[in-house]
Amino acid sequence: QLQLQESGPGLVKSSETLSLTCTVSGDSIRGSAYYWGWIRQPPGKGLEWIGITYFTGSTYYNPSLQSRVTISVDTSKNQFSLKLTSVTAADTALYYCARQRVDVLTAEYWGQGALVTVSS
Amino acid sequence: QSALTQPPSASGSPGHSVTISCTGTSSDVGGHNHVSWYQQFPGQAPKLIIYDDTKRPSGVPDRFSGSKSGNTASLTVIGLQAEDDGDYYCSSYAGSNILLFGGGTKLTV
Repeated sequence: QLQLQESGPGLVKSSETLSLTCTVSGDSIRGSAYYWGWIRQPPGKGLEWIGITYFTGSTYYNPSLQSRVTISVDTSKNQFSLKLTSVTAADTALYYCARQRVDVLTAEYWGQGALVTVSS
Repeated sequence: QSALTQPPSASGSPGHSVTISCTGTSSDVGGHNHVSWYQQFPGQAPKLIIYDDTKRPSGVPDRFSGSKSGNTASLTVIGLQAEDDGDYYCSSYAGSNILLFGGGTKLTV
């Protein structure tokens, strides 16, 4: 059974870099039919797609976040990671990792989410 | 690209039906047959309930159905049950490996 688990610091200072890792179990991240992505949800608000990576290291990002986001993959550990630089309070959110279809990016499976709070 | 437009709230009585809309443009909703719908309960991750406009993943009750006309997709729930009370989000492929979400609709049963 596929499981995704986010991990990383729950508190980040303003202007610093947010870093999260998603560990995948029950499926190989090398699977050719899927991207591995990040989606966030500010408290009490809606979902925002952040970006995706393929096992080859190819990446695609939300244009509104592109200048601050890096998503990378470590196939040896079956993990992928998110880095978001120069964070502000607006980046406080529940961050989900997800497996997304490679053709149309449908997010089929989601992790439970990791809350990251940006403090001043 | 802008977020897709959903009504902030919807409601219906048990046993009745409700439809939630999701409006985009010809570049996303209207241009691809790939609208998805997600159900989310408090404290839980979203769950995929409709994909490719009209398809249901295994295990999703057939009370949930999706449709689309032009740049507007819809989620219809018939035979509403108390357990359907939650938040519903649409998403659409927008081309160039970009995914858009709607703002979400709180369904009250």
